Amino acid sequence: GESVGLHLPTLSVQEGDNSIINCAYSNSASDYFIWYKQESGKGPQFIIDIRSNMDKRQGQRVTVLLNKTVKHLSLQIAATQPGDSAVYFCAENMGAAGNKLTFGGGTRVLVKP
Amino acid sequence: DSGVTQTPKHLITATGQRVTLRCSPRSGDLSVYWYQQSLDQGLQFLIQYYNGEERAKGNILERFSAQQFPDLHSELNLSSLELGDSALYFCASSVVAENTEAFFGQGTRLTVV
Repeated sequence: GESVGLHLPTLSVQEGDNSIINCAYSNSASDYFIWYKQESGKGPQFIIDIRSNMDKRQGQRVTVLLNKTVKHLSLQIAATQPGDSAVYFCAENMGAAGNKLTFGGGTRVLVKP
Repeated sequence: DSGVTQTPKHLITATGQRVTLRCSPRSGDLSVYWYQQSLDQGLQFLIQYYNGEERAKGNILERFSAQQFPDLHSELNLSSLELGDSALYFCASSVVAENTEAFFGQGTRLTVV
């Protein structure tokens, strides 16, 4: 049940350190962004979202930053834990009718004990 | 457990055949989405339904069709199957139709031989 077999960029992080995952989005008209986590054999799991009228949003151990000027999104995970090992996807909704989430290619996070 | 149920979990079929994938959304969710996750294309949005009506359409092939029934469950029909249709097919659901997190099921792994 691996999520993707693409050659994914990989972020190796020591347990307890902070992780930063970056994402460049494509459409300046996008008004809603989400980060998803996908563990092996499972469907994507919602982490946090942010609307385009905000530049920062915090959740439990996670922070999403949005820079509309350069069309960049980042996810910061504080005190990374082994359970955070997964593939992380950013997704954007391009502002059209509906909720047509366009996903980025994903980043694999490996947490080293 | 996201509350979204997909059946079957695995499906193996021959080229040229037709299959139907089934999805039950979370209780109370009116919107259903279908996504395809393949090794070379990542997560691709196929189609969204909201309360029985098509809401948004992605890169869904003409050989594929979907519908949402009055009880809000959805089916994705894939016909004239080709080897390249082998992928994970995810269903997701949400309460509202726009700019909202979608909760994903565990997926159906389709293998076309």
